[in-house]
Amino acid sequence: GQQLNQSPQSMFIQEGEDVSMNCTSSSIFNTWLWYKQDPGEGPVLLIALYKAGELTSNGRLTAQFGITRKDSFLNISASIPSDVGIYFCAGREGAQKLVFGQGTRLTINP
Amino acid sequence: GAGVSQSPSNKVTEKGKDVELRCDPISGHTALYWYRQSLGQGLEFLIYFQGNSAPDKSGLPSDRFSAERTGGSVSTLTIQRTQQEDSAVYLCASSRDSLANYGYTFGSGTRLTVV
Repeated sequence: GQQLNQSPQSMFIQEGEDVSMNCTSSSIFNTWLWYKQDPGEGPVLLIALYKAGELTSNGRLTAQFGITRKDSFLNISASIPSDVGIYFCAGREGAQKLVFGQGTRLTINP
Repeated sequence: GAGVSQSPSNKVTEKGKDVELRCDPISGHTALYWYRQSLGQGLEFLIYFQGNSAPDKSGLPSDRFSAERTGGSVSTLTIQRTQQEDSAVYLCASSRDSLANYGYTFGSGTRLTVV
């Protein structure tokens, strides 16, 4: 089936630093989504991308839908302690169910 | 309801016992999904219901796992003869339709521990 490769698997940064993570796929997707999961909770949608080349911001978060439709990245600027968690990318082709990446665990040192 | 509700939030069971996990999706959402998240791991797809269509069971890891969705609303995931490797967080999600243009809305999960 479809596979998503998400990297890095984990990040340890200082508060205030910028963060970048990405996902690549062997298949073309027409939707890319980014989720964040806090401890003990389910993932929550952060940003949704529907068009190749689309660049979307949500506060300090910026995500892009790659031109090839096989990749996406998420950037977080000026990280703060509440950014800690696991970030998942997800992609979808047509009307198929979402395929999720393995997650990037973000840890922030104050 | 306002969100996806899962119960129980935590379940400890003895190896070999059966367990039932419940998911109450957002009212009006026709699509419902079950995922499993083992410690420190990503989301493993289990099963997907869309309206009255036959469910997509392609992710169920063994015949000990089954799920049903009654009346197009509440879903129950059943694990028979539980094993220690079944210990994980079981997440339920729903979406307005199969296109899921706004993504899935997840519940908080049921943490299952098999001892």
